[in-house]
Amino acid sequence: GQLVESGGGLVEPGGSRRLSCEGSGFTFSTAWMSWVRQTPGKGLEWIGRIKSKADGGTTDYGAPVRGRFTISRDDSKNTLYLQMNSLKTEDTAVYYCTTDLPYCSRTTCYFLDFYYGMDVWGQGTTVTVSS
Amino acid sequence: QSALTQPPSASGSPGQSVTISCTGTSSDVGSYNYVSWYQQHPGKGPKLMIFEVSKRPSGVPDRFSGSKSGNTASLTVSGLQAEDEANYYCSSYAGSNDYVVFGGGTKLTVL
Repeated sequence: GQLVESGGGLVEPGGSRRLSCEGSGFTFSTAWMSWVRQTPGKGLEWIGRIKSKADGGTTDYGAPVRGRFTISRDDSKNTLYLQMNSLKTEDTAVYYCTTDLPYCSRTTCYFLDFYYGMDVWGQGTTVTVSS
Repeated sequence: QSALTQPPSASGSPGQSVTISCTGTSSDVGSYNYVSWYQQHPGKGPKLMIFEVSKRPSGVPDRFSGSKSGNTASLTVSGLQAEDEANYYCSSYAGSNDYVVFGGGTKLTVL
């Protein structure tokens, strides 16, 4: 599978930005997807996750972005979104989308509610929050 | 600073073995066998190398192995090759509140 992020750029503090992530080479609609960001100072940080619609389509977020960021998906376009509002300078980072790693027994594979791993990663898109 | 502690750097000559440590607490590494390791080359996204402490995804060479003892997980790269030079990050499930925590990364240099 492959993931390609887009939408990064320069944003003023307090502003908004929407990132996109297009998937290919795998069944996007059944995948659980996450966003992770990376900064030189804080390293890798989990932003949040969205389950497949078949598994409820619910979202979970990390504390630093909860209430400001929203993850959504459009399975008809094989695309994951990250809507970022009320941006702060500390949100400056490279943003990656990932597929969650499914747990596989001998007979079947399924996603776990807790962190199990992140399988496919995109190349990242850079968001800079600065005036 | 990151929740999991890794040495900032490690090195070895081609053909040698190198081990990278990842120290957490009893709330993450020590409590769960859901430790993963990622390899990241400059300008690229991370690549999953190890999951569930010691399992390798298909396509990852068996030169890469993982283990855990108490609150510390380890990644060993045997038979070092030039293409192994990269940054390596560990991660662990940290319970329902934190979900996942990452290490600060270790830059592996092949001498």
